[in-house]
Order: sequence, then C-alpha cells, then structure tokens
Amino acid sequence: DTGVSQDPRHKITKRGQNVTFRCDPISEHNRLYWYRQTLGQGPEFLTYFQNEAQLEKSRLLSDRFSAERPKGSFSTLEIQRTEQGDSAMYLCASSHVGEQYFGPGTRLTVT
Amino acid sequence: GENVEQHPSTLSVQEGDSAVIKCTYSDSASNYFPWYKQELGKGPQLIIDIRSNVGEKKDQRIAVTLNKTAKHFSLHITETQPEDSAVYFCAASPSNDYKLSFGAGTTVTVRA
Repeated sequence: DTGVSQDPRHKITKRGQNVTFRCDPISEHNRLYWYRQTLGQGPEFLTYFQNEAQLEKSRLLSDRFSAERPKGSFSTLEIQRTEQGDSAMYLCASSHVGEQYFGPGTRLTVT
Repeated sequence: GENVEQHPSTLSVQEGDSAVIKCTYSDSASNYFPWYKQELGKGPQLIIDIRSNVGEKKDQRIAVTLNKTAKHFSLHITETQPEDSAVYFCAASPSNDYKLSFGAGTTVTVRA
C-alpha cells in the first residue's frame, strides 16, 4: 500500500493524559499536513511541513499541541493534557507539488 | 482567512438522476478548488479539482464549474449510482500545495 498511513486508527484516553499520533506520508512527498475533523464538519487545518520545516501553524493549535517531522519523512502529532474538546478525527495528508492525499485518520476519544 | 460555505447539507436523489452541490468562497486569492469524497471510517478522497484559469472540468460522470467573479463553484454528478452515496466536501486554497479551507460537507444519498 503506497498511500498515506496513520497510526493508531483509534485512541481512547482519559482527560489529562498525553497522546501521540503518527503519520507516514506517500514516499517522496515533501509536504505533510495535519487537519482536525469534528463530527459533521469539514477538516480544519492545523499545521504543515515542507520536509522537516514546520511552515505554518493554525490558531487552533494551542500550546498543548506539538507536531514534528524530524527527518522529513514521518510526522508525529502530540497532544498534552488532553481535554474532552480534543475529541475528533485527526487527519494527515501529503503532497509533492500537487494535490493533497489524505490518510484514513486517527479517531481520538477523550473520556 | 478563507471562508467556504457549502450547500445543501444533505441531498437525496433517485438512482440515475443528477446531483448538484454548490460552494462559495470569500478570499479572492483562492485559485485552487478540489472536491473530496469521504466514506464512513475513511479519509477524504480527491475526486476532481479545478484551477482558476479553467471554467469547467469533466471526468466521466462528474464535472466541476467555477465562476471566479461570483466566487462560487459547483460539483455535478450525473447518472448517480448507489456507490456515489457519501459525504462530499469542497475546499479552496491559493494553491494546490498549501492549506485547504473546507466546506461543512454534503451528505449524498442515492436511492435505489
């Protein structure tokens, strides 16, 4: 499978815990994006990378959120001290001077 | 920032009929308009896109039209089939490798 992959697919955590998600983009795609999607809404942009450089962060990305792409390949999104409002689908997409292709997402439930 | 509005929020059509979804955007800098299809439990899948230098684009049963002056664009699906049932999202961006601003989605149901 050469598409975008995300791990885990589902995560249930208790409020206050930290969680980390991983995204593996399509090989040789230099841009990687994170979006968040809540029920009944379209995806909302969080942040994106070109290679290992984080180029832009949305105001939605509070200081509890951090994203990295250390070697310009896979990326991680960490949420510290999770809140119930963080419950959502976290989507990753990648591109290479072209269209964005999305992964299947990680569904986070904060109880 | 960009604001994309999409309607209708739900659409039910008889198999074989056409479906039309409309979107408007606010930022005149937007030049790239993709459409995504999302099935339950899956990520959005790009089905067609259009750039601002083109007014219409077709790919088999789907077509998109763009009116930059009025800042609106539409998705047309002809000869609908049950497998077209899904949530469809429009989006806008200044370019195809920059952040996308999405509409709220349209749930399309094709009745057999």
